[in-house]
Amino acid sequence: AQKITQTQPGMFVQEKEAVTLDCTYDTSDPSYGLFWYKQPSSGEMIFLIYQGSYDQQNATEGRYSLNFQKARKSANLVISASQLGDSAMYFCAMREGRASGTYKYIFGTGTRLKVLA
Amino acid sequence: GAVVSQHPSRVICKSGTSVKIECRSLDFQATTMFWYRQFPKQSLMLMATSNEGSKATYEQGVEKDKFLINHASLTLSTLTVTSAHPEDSSFYICSARDLGQGGTEAFFGQGTRLTVV
Repeated sequence: AQKITQTQPGMFVQEKEAVTLDCTYDTSDPSYGLFWYKQPSSGEMIFLIYQGSYDQQNATEGRYSLNFQKARKSANLVISASQLGDSAMYFCAMREGRASGTYKYIFGTGTRLKVLA
Repeated sequence: GAVVSQHPSRVICKSGTSVKIECRSLDFQATTMFWYRQFPKQSLMLMATSNEGSKATYEQGVEKDKFLINHASLTLSTLTVTSAHPEDSSFYICSARDLGQGGTEAFFGQGTRLTVV
């Protein structure tokens, strides 16, 4: 079974609009972390936002916010006021294995976002 | 955020030769580093987890004799692709956890695009 599922291979959004990128996860580890990374065409992975499994509030970082719904095992990324520079591949990732100390990071298949002028 | 430097960013080598890729944490100590492989338009696949001073833990299906990992210090891990073949051509990317940040997130290097001709 997929541990991290991103069901949107590609998304379009108009500049200055908000967009939500979906991510669902599956784990039996009681302690885990959820991350979103941006990968532009140059290839580097840019950390955007983090949500811990025990965090009560949704994480926010500037224009990025994470809509964490633990019961539904979803961790959607919301980008507000989209900019042309936001066009990139976006990966949802989960860190699990804290109890065993293995700390594996597992990535979804990604969503390619294109911001339209 | 913490800085992870990966070198080289691009390498072209002849089939049958070996290539070494370095991953350095520049401003923090990293007991654990991760090596990923990414095929075009696909997600990051974890190859191995590298622990300082001990043997790397390889994921299922990854040939440990082909992809040699050494993590000799808290700031340096190397991946050597031995006897490279064209099918080894890929984007290789490393990441490291910053202990000072409680290991919450993993920071990524810039990636290495390997082309075997």
